[in-house]
Amino acid sequence: DAGVIQSPRHEVTEMGQEVTLRCKPISGHNSLFWYRQTMMRGLELLIYFNNNVPIDDSGMPEDRFSAKMPNASFSTLKIQPSEPRDSAVYFCASSLAGGLTGELFFGEGSRLTVL
Amino acid sequence: DAKTTQPPSMDCAEGRAANLPCNHSTISGNEYVYWYRQIHSQGPQYIIHGLKNNETNEMASLIITEDRKSSTLILPHATLRDTAVYYCIVRGHQTGANNLFFGTGTRLTVIP
Repeated sequence: DAGVIQSPRHEVTEMGQEVTLRCKPISGHNSLFWYRQTMMRGLELLIYFNNNVPIDDSGMPEDRFSAKMPNASFSTLKIQPSEPRDSAVYFCASSLAGGLTGELFFGEGSRLTVL
Repeated sequence: DAKTTQPPSMDCAEGRAANLPCNHSTISGNEYVYWYRQIHSQGPQYIIHGLKNNETNEMASLIITEDRKSSTLILPHATLRDTAVYYCIVRGHQTGANNLFFGTGTRLTVIP
């Protein structure tokens, strides 16, 4: 079975550029989560969706970050403009039953480096 | 959600049982204990969860004390591939509160 698929796996960009990270959740899952991981702050929840609707975006650092889920099989996390402090690994995860059971399935992550 | 406390690191000899402790003294009655692990450069992986009874699956066993203020994750026969950061998370099963908060975890190193 295909797991959560994220792209790109690695991205290096220059400060000020727009970055778009993509996620395809597991088919049939109705919750999707975006996390960010850095050495300093560990794993942080940025935003999560239930049935394509954003439920809690309180973890989104600032207006430069935006996330969309236009349908059940696709989500994007966009950073515009990017800054060096955005360098991190960004993980997407999906789950069944609105995440009620707490069993999340994570993708391999997108490692972002902003120069 | 209740906070958890875990030792920052542990070592375990290959083939021996790895016992990873977690304190969650402020856990409330409807909160579950979850364990995830993260192998280097990979996304976190669900291991097991429980409410008050001990649980076992193909990966591990979860022992929760009777007062539910602490728990232990047991990997019965640790292998080198079990080297990872292990996260203990306490979370309620509430509609609309579906997120998981990861702490700093325990870095387990399995030694040959």
